Amino acid sequence: GAVVSQHPSWVICKSGTSVKIECRSLDFQATTMFWYRQFPKQSLMLMATSNEGSKATYEQGVEKDKFLINHASLTLSTLTVTSAHPEDSSFYICSAPGGGLADFYEQYFGPGTRLTVT
Amino acid sequence: GQNIDQPTEMTATEGAIVQINCTYQTSGFNGLFWYQQHAGEAPTFLSYNVLDGLEEKGRFSSFLSRSKGYSYLLLKELQMKDSASYLCAAQDSNYQLIWGAGTKLIIKP
Repeated sequence: GAVVSQHPSWVICKSGTSVKIECRSLDFQATTMFWYRQFPKQSLMLMATSNEGSKATYEQGVEKDKFLINHASLTLSTLTVTSAHPEDSSFYICSAPGGGLADFYEQYFGPGTRLTVT
Repeated sequence: GQNIDQPTEMTATEGAIVQINCTYQTSGFNGLFWYQQHAGEAPTFLSYNVLDGLEEKGRFSSFLSRSKGYSYLLLKELQMKDSASYLCAAQDSNYQLIWGAGTKLIIKP
């Protein structure tokens, strides 16, 4: 099946710094990628939809100037958490829909990135 | 509004059968997904239903009733490794996934 990778798998940063998380589709092209945030014992919360070659679509309540998304190519989307605060500490997961018609309905998830802001 | 409901936690015994229910309300409907998520890991795909009925895949089966806005995940011959959270997600008319909060399944020996 399709593989999505994320880098880094975990990161610790100081409050006020910025952190970039990469999401790559390894064996298929993804014109759309989704970024989720998951707090402990809670479900996935969609943050934004990343579109290759155009601006990302952010969910209500998600600050687009704080969570910068860049979908630079058909295999790479990046999420940058700017001026990170301890409350941004979370598990960030990206996903991409499958490439073929039969796979369209399935989301392929990256392994996630655990961000801890101290 | 859009909403997914599933139980918060369930407990079952190794070797037994457990059914995890999910009800949904979405703007349009393009399918119902079940995912398994172990602590600290990303979700992994278990099943997809878009037509009414039962889909069987090994020890796991998933059922859908579109008229009732209802689905369940059936796990047979439970193993300790099945201890995880099980997420129900419905896909709306825009193909966005609406996620339930997950059901934590605890398997006891």
